[in-house]
Amino acid sequence: DVKVTQSSRYLVKRTGEKVFLECVQDMDHENMFWYRQDPGLGLRLIYFSYDVKMKEKGDIPEGYSVSREKKERFSLILESASTNQTSMYLCASSLSQGSTDTQYFGPGTRLTVL
Amino acid sequence: DAKTTQPNSMESNEEEPVHLPCNHSTISGTDYIHWYRQLPSQGPEYVIHGLTSNVNNRMASLAIAEDRKSSTLILHRATLRDAAVYYCILRDHSNYQLIWGAGTKLIIKP
Repeated sequence: DVKVTQSSRYLVKRTGEKVFLECVQDMDHENMFWYRQDPGLGLRLIYFSYDVKMKEKGDIPEGYSVSREKKERFSLILESASTNQTSMYLCASSLSQGSTDTQYFGPGTRLTVL
Repeated sequence: DAKTTQPNSMESNEEEPVHLPCNHSTISGTDYIHWYRQLPSQGPEYVIHGLTSNVNNRMASLAIAEDRKSSTLILHRATLRDAAVYYCILRDHSNYQLIWGAGTKLIIKP
């Protein structure tokens, strides 16, 4: 079974702190994704990566950056956390781009910025 | 991207079949229909996908209308563990992204 793990289930940070969210997948997947999920807004794509060191902006990249130095690991970085970044963050991975491709999700990190 | 429309919520009794509808009137010929679900306090998980023909797997069945403008996810015998938000998503070959709507919250009554 594919496993996607995220470094923390719950995280509390203060405004202005630099925050790192880590995601690791164990199935040699090419693609990795970071979403945030907010009530009433559903899942929104922040960034994705289709290869090591490659990244593409999603729908809401402002205030975030990402890093993919190794195939299995995709990091989301909040350079200076703000209260409006309080949210559930979900990481996902997938094998390829095709129409039938399946995304596998981690359990999520609930981030609170005070 | 083509969009989907789902009811906000549905209720069903335990051990009865559940039919979750999805409308996608602007679907294109190359769009696959995917279903995911999100159990409470978990990340979404894949359920099933199809193009034109009906599909079955161990979790559910997917019935696709002949004109492909709608589809139905069928849980044959719902259990309390099936209580989740179910998302219907269209996906084509050129798109890395899954476009997520609000989904249908399925409530299972014991």
